[in-house]
Amino acid sequence: AQSVTQLDSHVSVSEGTPVLLRCNYSSSYSPSLFWYVQHPNKGLQLLLKYTSAATLVKGINGFEAEFKKSETSFHLTKPSAHMSDAAEYFCVVSVFNNDMRFGAGTRLTVKP
Amino acid sequence: KAGVTQTPRYLIKTRGQQVTLSCSPISGHRSVSWYQQTPGQGLQFLFEYFSETQRNKGNFPGRFSGRQFSNSRSEMNVSTLELGDSALYLCASSLDRGRDTEAFFGQGTRLTVV
Repeated sequence: AQSVTQLDSHVSVSEGTPVLLRCNYSSSYSPSLFWYVQHPNKGLQLLLKYTSAATLVKGINGFEAEFKKSETSFHLTKPSAHMSDAAEYFCVVSVFNNDMRFGAGTRLTVKP
Repeated sequence: KAGVTQTPRYLIKTRGQQVTLSCSPISGHRSVSWYQQTPGQGLQFLFEYFSETQRNKGNFPGRFSGRQFSNSRSEMNVSTLELGDSALYLCASSLDRGRDTEAFFGQGTRLTVV
């Protein structure tokens, strides 16, 4: 069975400093991995996805993530946080049939 | 291109009633999935429909059901509502059912059961 574990429920950074949101996955098959962002009272928006092409994936708004099979990790990073990045972030694993398994989410707070 | 549309956005129902939520996918998308989001359980997969057939189902009781029409629009129904059914219900659509297919989410329907 596939699953993801987001290692931090809440991350707080200052504006202009780097962001690191951690995600570990478990899958019996070669997974596809996604990061989604959810702003308050909004649906989910795709930030980036890994589908076994390049291990370093670049997404929207300056975010990127690196797939590390040896560590079963897919951490999300951004060099410099912006106030508008404050939101809930979800790491997602998908094996087949659009059965997407979501992590518990990491709430990102950005301080001025 | 219009996004995924969910109606209604907000709903208040009484325990024991039933409710129907609607989802209109992006034009051309044939797969529609439903998720329940609560503070305690997070985002949980309910079911997925593709070309009017339920192809995948999460671990929810039979009170939760859904269907998909020939135009790919989908509805989900919850019967005999319980207080614990209060949640944000999200619908997602995608082109096909491949594991690396991006899912596009609607803004959700916030259901409150009193």
